[in-house]
Amino acid sequence: NAGVTQTPKFQVLKTGQSMTLQCAQDMNHEYMSWYRQDPGMGLRLIHYSVGAGITDQGEVPNGYNVSRSTTEDFPLRLLSAAPSQTSVYFCASSYSSQNYGYTFGSGTRLTVV
Amino acid sequence: GNSVTQMEGPVTLSEEAFLTINCTYTATGYPSLFWYVQYPGEGLQLLLKATKADDKGSNKGFEATYRKETTSFHLEKGSVQVSDSAVYFCALSRPPNNDYKLSFGAGTTVTVRA
Repeated sequence: NAGVTQTPKFQVLKTGQSMTLQCAQDMNHEYMSWYRQDPGMGLRLIHYSVGAGITDQGEVPNGYNVSRSTTEDFPLRLLSAAPSQTSVYFCASSYSSQNYGYTFGSGTRLTVV
Repeated sequence: GNSVTQMEGPVTLSEEAFLTINCTYTATGYPSLFWYVQYPGEGLQLLLKATKADDKGSNKGFEATYRKETTSFHLEKGSVQVSDSAVYFCALSRPPNNDYKLSFGAGTTVTVRA
């Protein structure tokens, strides 16, 4: 039972480069989310999805795109990396945050230079 | 909007000491409340939860009670161990309408010394 798998674990980008952070879950969860974690700020929601084909913006969506073509996968795309996007990114999934809580991936540490 | 306020850290304790981390929230309706724990170098893990007023969540010796009258969900453990060193996050999700988004506090870093 793999849970939520994120790749890569570490990445260094140059300003202006683009890349995709991968997220996959094998629990048949409807809900998936991307968060970024910055010191002293907790986790902030970037984008989320309530099912395949449905996505929406969270608190801090600028500079990021997502798509949800399957239940299992929810990739996060950085269009043109900026130093302000240096952060740790977490993907999470759930049947319902109300009663089950979210399952988190182990994170991707991204540095933009 | 929804918000969660946690006591600021870092918190440093000796083994077998009593731990309490304060958490208060602002939300309409009746949110569900969660504590997550993040061990060094890892992702977040659900530690415990409570979905209605006066519920007590418990796990691994940790407890928290959903107090609607004080809008609080304080985390407690009677005797901490070195292995409890981690960052602890309080979070809420707000019903109704199946609002699945989590709002997190800033996190409290706890270090337990042997």
